[in-house]
Amino acid sequence: QVQLVESGGGVVQPGRSLRLSCAASGFIFSGFSIHWVRQAPGKGLEWVAILSHDGTYNYYVDSVKGRFTISTDNSKNTLYLQMKSLRAEDTAVYHCARSSSWFGYFDSWGQGTLVTVSS
Amino acid sequence: IQLTQSPSSLSASVGDRVTITCRASQGFSTALAWYQQKPGKAPKLLIYDASTLESGVPSRFSGSGSGTDFTLTISSLQPEDFATYYCQQFNSYPLTFGGGTKVEIK
Repeated sequence: QVQLVESGGGVVQPGRSLRLSCAASGFIFSGFSIHWVRQAPGKGLEWVAILSHDGTYNYYVDSVKGRFTISTDNSKNTLYLQMKSLRAEDTAVYHCARSSSWFGYFDSWGQGTLVTVSS
Repeated sequence: IQLTQSPSSLSASVGDRVTITCRASQGFSTALAWYQQKPGKAPKLLIYDASTLESGVPSRFSGSGSGTDFTLTISSLQPEDFATYYCQQFNSYPLTFGGGTKVEIK
């Protein structure tokens, strides 16, 4: 069955970097766009970034542009989110989720990985 | 596009009919989805394209609307439906979610 499994979260100091991974299985990875969606503790959902199915196109929410980079290793069916210059407001559970098109809804989600930015 | 959900929370009893509204700051067609999230879990897709029921989702859930006003209706609330519900638009980037509606037991 479709599975998305995130890893790489943890506690990091403000200004430092962290890389999250999302391992996909059970579907043809290159046939879907993959997103990162985050949820701060006790708050709602916020879409963060998308990478197109062929890895050609990406887009970010304004608050992370220039600091976060989304990439993929199709040979490993894995999506990454490289996060730099982390801020306290980046503290959240980060989920990866897939959509069947660039403009899409999320039909499968991972359980998420918690990133805590704190000194 | 900003999405405003109302109410932000509600208390209801098993068997009640529940309606949640999602209003968009600018109109679009039907590029809207609804999700259910339980504590500590990932969101689960319920409805897409404003009114299409995702496979496996009980028929007591339904969605309607287009333009700026959308609704999610639960026709007869069940114990497993107590959760937080979010709308999401996929008409334009950045993709956005509503603030959520928490459905609690009365």
